[in-house]
Amino acid sequence: NAGVTQTPKFQVLKTGQSMTLQCAQDMNHEYMSWYRQDPGMGLRLIHYSVGAGITDQGEVPNGYNVSRSTTEDFPLRLLSAAPSQTSVYFCASSLERGSYEQYFGPGTRLTVT
Amino acid sequence: GNSVTQMEGPVTLSEEAFLTINCTYTATGYPSLFWYVQYPGEGLQLLLKATKADDKGSNKGFEATYRKETTSFHLEKGSVQVSDSAVYFCALSDRVGNEKLTFGTGTRLTIIP
Repeated sequence: NAGVTQTPKFQVLKTGQSMTLQCAQDMNHEYMSWYRQDPGMGLRLIHYSVGAGITDQGEVPNGYNVSRSTTEDFPLRLLSAAPSQTSVYFCASSLERGSYEQYFGPGTRLTVT
Repeated sequence: GNSVTQMEGPVTLSEEAFLTINCTYTATGYPSLFWYVQYPGEGLQLLLKATKADDKGSNKGFEATYRKETTSFHLEKGSVQVSDSAVYFCALSDRVGNEKLTFGTGTRLTIIP
C-alpha cells in the first residue's frame, strides 16, 4: 500500500492564480481531510469528507473548495491564491468509525507571491 | 470550543536525558487524546493515544497518561536518542468516532549527542 499520497511536493503561485492539490489514499478509508500547517499555529482543519459525495467545512475553509467523487481521491482547490495561503498542506485519512488514527500524507509546500 | 495547549519550544536536550513535553486540553465531554510526531520533511505519524481517563498510551519508549482531573496528557521518555529529534503535536478528538482533530501548536525537540 502506498498509504496517503500528495502531489505536488512544492508549488509556487502568483496571487490570483488557481490550482488543485491532489490527495489519494489506497486504504479504502471513508474519512479524508485537509489541514494547513503554519508556524506557531499547529494544524488547522480546512475541509473534510466522511465518504464519497459528502464534504463539510472545517475551521478555515475560506478560499478553498473540495469535492469527493471517489473514495480514493480528495482534491483541494485554491480558487484565487492569496499570500495568506502560503503554508504547508497535509491530507489525512482514517476509517470513519472505531478508528482514532489518522494517516497523513507527506505534505505540499505552497508559496504564493 | 476545544483547545490544546502545549509547552513552548524549542526544547534541546542531551542524549539519554529525561523528556517531558506538557500538554493540557479543554474539551466538552470525554475526548480521546493523541500525540503525533513529525520527522523532518515528513507528514505526521501517530505516536500514541489514550481514549479514556487513566489510560496510558505508550510506544517507542514514550508514554503519556490521560489525566481527567488535571486535563493533561504529558509526553515522557526516560532516555532520549538523537533519532527522537522531531516536532511533537498533542491533539484531541471530542467524541467517539469523530475523527476531527484539534491540534496543539507543536513542540520542536532537538537531541544533541
